[in-house]
Amino acid sequence: AQTIHQWPVAEIKAVGSPLSLGCTIKGKSSPNLYWYWQATGGTLQQLFYSITVGQVESVVQLNLSASRPKDDQFILSTEKLLLSHSGFYLCAWSLDGGAGSDYTFGSGTRLLVI
Amino acid sequence: GDSVTQTEGLVTLTEGLPVMLNCTYQSTYSPFLFWYVQHLNEAPKLLLKSFTDNKRPEHQGFHATLHKSSSSFHLQKSSAQLSDSALYYCALRAGGSNAKLTFGKGTKLSVKS
Repeated sequence: AQTIHQWPVAEIKAVGSPLSLGCTIKGKSSPNLYWYWQATGGTLQQLFYSITVGQVESVVQLNLSASRPKDDQFILSTEKLLLSHSGFYLCAWSLDGGAGSDYTFGSGTRLLVI
Repeated sequence: GDSVTQTEGLVTLTEGLPVMLNCTYQSTYSPFLFWYVQHLNEAPKLLLKSFTDNKRPEHQGFHATLHKSSSSFHLQKSSAQLSDSALYYCALRAGGSNAKLTFGKGTKLSVKS
């Protein structure tokens, strides 16, 4: 069975500090990977997606970047956090890019920027 | 572009009453529709997905029917339970490869005894 693990579970960071969030998928080779962001009380907004190692597409510009250094790993990062980066970050995977493929989400990382 | 519109805000029901959460969509293509449920402090989980052959998906007592004529995929349940209290998202995915899963703004369902 496939498992998706996100780390850390929660972070409190200062404005201007760097950030790195991680996501690992086990049990599935070459998954499509996604990063979503959910502001408090807000909807789920897709930030990035990746269909293969080394390739990442940006969907929304929020002064964040993403990388896929390994087939099973997806990293979200920034060098300088803003207050507006606070929220719930979710990693997800799907079997493929087809419209019928649903997403499975990780348990998420809660980020508070102060 | 694709968009999803849901019943906004909070829906409050008494346990045992029927549930109906509205979802309508706009898409250039013929999309797949999904319902996700998110309990407090948890990640969203897939509840239902539309079929291509007009079958009605059902899960945990919930069902939804894709009506292409009215571009709707309303979520229904005959009798609400306290444990159904959660945030419900309708989502759409359409188009070619790597199509984005687009979420609506979500509807918070609160079931009271």
